[in-house]
Amino acid sequence: EAGVAQSPRYKIIEKRQSVAFWCNPISGHATLYWYQQILGQGPKLLIQFQNNGVVDDSQLPKDRFSAERLKGVDSTLKIQPAKLEDSAVYLCASSSRTSGGTDTQYFGPGTRLTVL
Amino acid sequence: GDSVTQMEGPVTLSEEAFLTINCTYTATGYPSLFWYVQYPGEGLQLLLKATKADDKGSNKGFEATYRKETTSFHLEKGSVQVSDSAVYFCALSERTDKLIFGTGTRLQVFP
Repeated sequence: EAGVAQSPRYKIIEKRQSVAFWCNPISGHATLYWYQQILGQGPKLLIQFQNNGVVDDSQLPKDRFSAERLKGVDSTLKIQPAKLEDSAVYLCASSSRTSGGTDTQYFGPGTRLTVL
Repeated sequence: GDSVTQMEGPVTLSEEAFLTINCTYTATGYPSLFWYVQYPGEGLQLLLKATKADDKGSNKGFEATYRKETTSFHLEKGSVQVSDSAVYFCALSERTDKLIFGTGTRLQVFP
């Protein structure tokens, strides 16, 4: 079974530029998550989708970050404009959870973003 | 709000030594508890989990017991190997499956 795919693996941009990350979850997984992992910290949830609806985006900086999950499969996370403090690894995860209970989240390899 | 606190690293051990990484949590309800591991150059992988009090999660020789009375979920292994060198994250989740992570503990095992 293929795992969670993410691209690109690395990205270097200058501040005020825009950037987009792509995630393809495990086939059949209804729930998709984007996490931000700043160096030396644990991952922090940015947004959670169930199918193509948003479950939780309370920690997403909506003035510069946006995310979508069209057709309930792939997802894109965008930052516009980027700031220095956005330098981090952006992790995508998916789970088969549809309602209730707690299911295992499977993580992709992440995209390492450096903002100069 | 909910939070996870884990011991700071790095933890440096010789091969075959006993490992303990402490983890305590704060939660309003009855969360599920997890240990994730991140090997160098790889993504996060679930190591083990426990979903209710007194449950013991185990995998690859690692164990952790959900202790509600002490709000703890300490990770243990009786004999570590060089290949166990990685960063270990303790995490919890409640109703929405949102994972809340600790800051991670780096383990370095030397031959």
